[in-house]
Amino acid sequence: NAGVTQTPKFQVLKTGQSMTLQCAQDMNHNSMYWYRQDPGMGLRLIYYSASEGTTDKGEVPNGYNVSRLNKREFSLRLESAAPSQTSVYFCASSEGRWGTEAFFGQGTRLTVV
Amino acid sequence: GDSVTQMEGPVTLSEEAFLTINCTYTATGYPSLFWYVQYPGEGLQLLLKATKADDKGSNKGFEATYRKETTSFHLEKGSVQVSDSAVYFCALTIHFGNEKLTFGTGTRLTIIP
Repeated sequence: NAGVTQTPKFQVLKTGQSMTLQCAQDMNHNSMYWYRQDPGMGLRLIYYSASEGTTDKGEVPNGYNVSRLNKREFSLRLESAAPSQTSVYFCASSEGRWGTEAFFGQGTRLTVV
Repeated sequence: GDSVTQMEGPVTLSEEAFLTINCTYTATGYPSLFWYVQYPGEGLQLLLKATKADDKGSNKGFEATYRKETTSFHLEKGSVQVSDSAVYFCALTIHFGNEKLTFGTGTRLTIIP
């Protein structure tokens, strides 16, 4: 059971470099999310996609872009990485119906130096 | 806006002790409430949930009751084990059709033998 798969698991970037975090789910879920996890801050929503073809900003969208490529895939792009974007990034998906749970990937640990 | 306030950590207990982790919320609508658990090096996974007032969610010996009158969803376990050591997150969703989760800051629990 693959569930939610994120790549890469670890990444080190230099300030100003760009990269794309990939996420795919095999549960036929409508909704997908990108969160970042920082010590003492819990998880904060960056962007979400309620359905294929739609994306919306979350709590901390600045410095990021997203693409909902199809129902399975939801990528997160950092155009010009900054040290403040050092974090652990989690992708999640859910059916998008009231009361349903979200399923999370294993996370990507990103360090920007 | 919507928010979740969790008991400050870290929490350290001896094996077989009683556990309570407090969680209170504010919500703009009628929330569903969740507890997620994150084991070291892993993503989050659902521990339990409750979708309406007075519902009790339970799993693996953990319980939490949805208390609308006190806007709380406290996590309890009668006898903790070393394997319960993890970070616990309280979260809510409001039904706006996208089910994005709002998380608390997390509580790190360590159980010592």
